[in-house]
Amino acid sequence: NAGVTQTPKFQVLKTGQSMTLQCAQDMNHEYMSWYRQDPGMGLRLIHYSVGAGITDQGEVPNGYNVSRSTTEDFPLRLLSAAPSQTSVYFCASSYSVRGELFFGEGSRLTVL
Amino acid sequence: KQEVTQIPAALSVPEGENLVLNCSFTDSAIYNLQWFRQDPGKGLTSLLLIQSSQREQTSGRLNASLDKSSGRSTLYIAASQPGDSATYLCAVSGRDSNYQLIWGAGTKLIIKP
Repeated sequence: NAGVTQTPKFQVLKTGQSMTLQCAQDMNHEYMSWYRQDPGMGLRLIHYSVGAGITDQGEVPNGYNVSRSTTEDFPLRLLSAAPSQTSVYFCASSYSVRGELFFGEGSRLTVL
Repeated sequence: KQEVTQIPAALSVPEGENLVLNCSFTDSAIYNLQWFRQDPGKGLTSLLLIQSSQREQTSGRLNASLDKSSGRSTLYIAASQPGDSATYLCAVSGRDSNYQLIWGAGTKLIIKP
């Protein structure tokens, strides 16, 4: 059972470049979310989805886009990378919006 | 506005000791509370989830308690082992329509062999 899978694990971008962080879960979870984790700032919610076709903004959505075309996948797009987006990104899912949360291993992004 | 605090930020204890990690929250109107552990360079792993109607949950050597009236949850780790070394975070889900978890900053636990 793979759980929550994130790719890539590491990425270096130049300012202004765009990229997509992939997230897939095989647990048939309805709820999926993206967090960023920064030293001293803790975990901050970027975007979340309560089901296919439904997405909403979290605490820090600016500069990021998401879509949820299938139950399994929830990609996070960086439109024009900025150094302030250097962070570790985590995808998480749960069976319901307030259920036990399962996390991926994280994607470490550096923007130069 | 809900705030979640974990004190201390770091804790170092000898192997074999029983220990308690603390999580405090300011608004008692919670739906549930979750405890997670995070190993360096890894994602978070769910340890225990306590519903607002429950007083405690147990999993192996871990026991989490919940006291809504005092705005406090504790994670008790029995017979600590070096493999328990990690950062432990708690997160609270509120009863309102906002699905967002409110996170504590975590307690970094070091178990000395």
